[in-house]
Amino acid sequence: KNEVEQSPQNLTAQEGEFITINCSYSVGISALHWLQQHPGGGIVSLFMLSSGKKKHGRLIATINIQEKHSSLHITASHPRDSAVYICAVAANTGNQFYFGTGTSLTVIP
Amino acid sequence: KAGVTQTPRYLIKTRGQQVTLSCSPISGHRSVSWYQQTPGQGLQFLFEYFSETQRNKGNFPGRFSGRQFSNSRSEMNVSTLELGDSALYLCASSFGTGDNSPLHFGNGTRLTVT
Repeated sequence: KNEVEQSPQNLTAQEGEFITINCSYSVGISALHWLQQHPGGGIVSLFMLSSGKKKHGRLIATINIQEKHSSLHITASHPRDSAVYICAVAANTGNQFYFGTGTSLTVIP
Repeated sequence: KAGVTQTPRYLIKTRGQQVTLSCSPISGHRSVSWYQQTPGQGLQFLFEYFSETQRNKGNFPGRFSGRQFSNSRSEMNVSTLELGDSALYLCASSFGTGDNSPLHFGNGTRLTVT
């Protein structure tokens, strides 16, 4: 049983397209993190959310606590956005962290 | 400000040996958490330390242990290595705990067990 489900698993887009990655979770959470991992392993934290919406440049993250769902949007996608995007939740019981399996995004010029 | 530093970057060990990995957090950060990443299981949470105390622990056997020092640097130890322990081990630091602060990841230690 996966506490965090992401979709899609793989995504190919043309440069300039609007992209949405979805994350659903089944546990109560204190916070949700969106992470970006480039080939070679380095992980960068994009957002930490506990409610509402956050925007950073071309990236937007939203969360609906009642529906246990979050989305990551990329506007005007660019080849440098090609990476694996991972959703992670900090559960509010047991202080556990759970991860989605990631969405592999390829943006074609 | 220096980022999160993990040493060593690569490590090759033999089954049955033990290994110690090190993580130096960003200055001022009090929390260090550890994660295992494998192609089959993805990212999995190992444990989190905050102010030298283990705050929580994932579902890993007791062979996996850690500690945090007074300067917030952390070490992770794996005893009696198994082939399945081959993975990328990542640590992350944060000012507060992972449920209220953004995580800053190191580049990881790639462990190969032969």
